Amino acid sequence: EVQLVESGGGLVQPGGSLRLSCAASGFTFSSYSMNWVRQAPGKGLEWVSYISSSSSTIYYADSVKGRFTISRDNAKNSLYLQMNSLRAEDTAVYYCASVVQGVIKFWGKGTTVTVSS
Amino acid sequence: SYVLTQPPSVSVAPGQTARITCGGNNIGSKSVHWYQQKPGQAPVLVVYDDSDRPSGIPERFSGSNSGNTATLTISRVEAGDEADYYCQVWDSSSDHPYVFGTGTKVTVL
Repeated sequence: EVQLVESGGGLVQPGGSLRLSCAASGFTFSSYSMNWVRQAPGKGLEWVSYISSSSSTIYYADSVKGRFTISRDNAKNSLYLQMNSLRAEDTAVYYCASVVQGVIKFWGKGTTVTVSS
Repeated sequence: SYVLTQPPSVSVAPGQTARITCGGNNIGSKSVHWYQQKPGQAPVLVVYDDSDRPSGIPERFSGSNSGNTATLTISRVEAGDEADYYCQVWDSSSDHPYVFGTGTKVTVL
């Protein structure tokens, strides 16, 4: 069974940092590209970042470029999102998701990030 | 950047058919995927590549895509289909490759 389990969310002050993690199991993690997708309270889905299976290709949404860094450790079956200079508008549930040819096949349950003083 | 537009809400009686549109410039030339999200839960893929269904998704869920509009059709709607639905496309030539629609709330009357 495919499982994606996010962790690392919490309450942080504006300007602060957080590192999200996603532990993958039940599939060959090293063969799959991965995404982070977020959803602000009461809002729709927003794509945040993409990383290819070998980490050779990385993309970011304009809203997070220069502040967030996506990475992965295939030996540990783990995906990460380092979030710096956090703003109130980054408050959201952050989902880790595996992708195949542009399709988001599996989603984690999400971890909540709240940016507030 | 590419924009996908969905109606905010669709209401349908049980047993009837719900149609959710997703509008985008020449969307017919792209593969469209659809996700269902129930309150407090993660999204679930219900249709991919315009009209294919993942295993476990009922045949009541179907999709089509042509011109500037893609459509998710839910036949014989059940109370359990009440959820938010999002379309999504992948633009492999873009450095912002994943685009989601604005989302549609389906209410079962």
